[in-house]
Amino acid sequence: EPEVTQTPSHQVTQMGQEVILRCVPISNHLYFYWYRQILGQKVEFLVSFYNNEISEKSEIFDDQFSVERPDGSNFTLKIRSTKLEDSAMYFCASSEGRGSGNTIYFGEGSWLTVV
Amino acid sequence: GNSVTQMEGPVTLSEEAFLTINCTYTATGYPSLFWYVQYPGEGLQLLLKATKADDKGSNKGFEATYRKETTSFHLEKGSVQVSDSAVYFCALSEKSSASKIIFGSGTRLSIRP
Repeated sequence: EPEVTQTPSHQVTQMGQEVILRCVPISNHLYFYWYRQILGQKVEFLVSFYNNEISEKSEIFDDQFSVERPDGSNFTLKIRSTKLEDSAMYFCASSEGRGSGNTIYFGEGSWLTVV
Repeated sequence: GNSVTQMEGPVTLSEEAFLTINCTYTATGYPSLFWYVQYPGEGLQLLLKATKADDKGSNKGFEATYRKETTSFHLEKGSVQVSDSAVYFCALSEKSSASKIIFGSGTRLSIRP
């Protein structure tokens, strides 16, 4: 079964450093997402992306975050200057279409630890 | 705003026991409802979904019925197995913003052999 793949699975970074989390969505999918889960808390929506632009973002997704589809297969989340509170599991997801009839498929997550 | 509330864990059951994990929601309009499961060391997987009132989602022996009158979507399984040990998330998406899934806090389920 096709799957969303994410790298790295775990990254430790120093506060203030830039981090790029990478994702390869399922190949025929057109909609891409990032979610995050701080340890012990809920999974939270960050951003959705379609047709090379952000279609929706949450208030968490401030100016230190950016997303990009640099080529036909990758989808990245960049955190410009990491803070301790950015430590979380980051999930990439993709779907073929938009709307509740379309299933959103999640990757295994990238665990980011900011020290 | 929209929200999902699910029973707190952890839940520990013996193999072959009956499982219920309660979930209630608050939403404007008519959301779609989901249960996601996260097995140890893995990502979130869609377990089942229901898109309108009275729909029943089912998969792998799990079931949940969309109850508009009680705003609930409780997860049930008649006979659990050790391999069902995981964290279960109830979730919703508004049809107007189906890119944004709102998750409950998750319920950790452990099954004893």
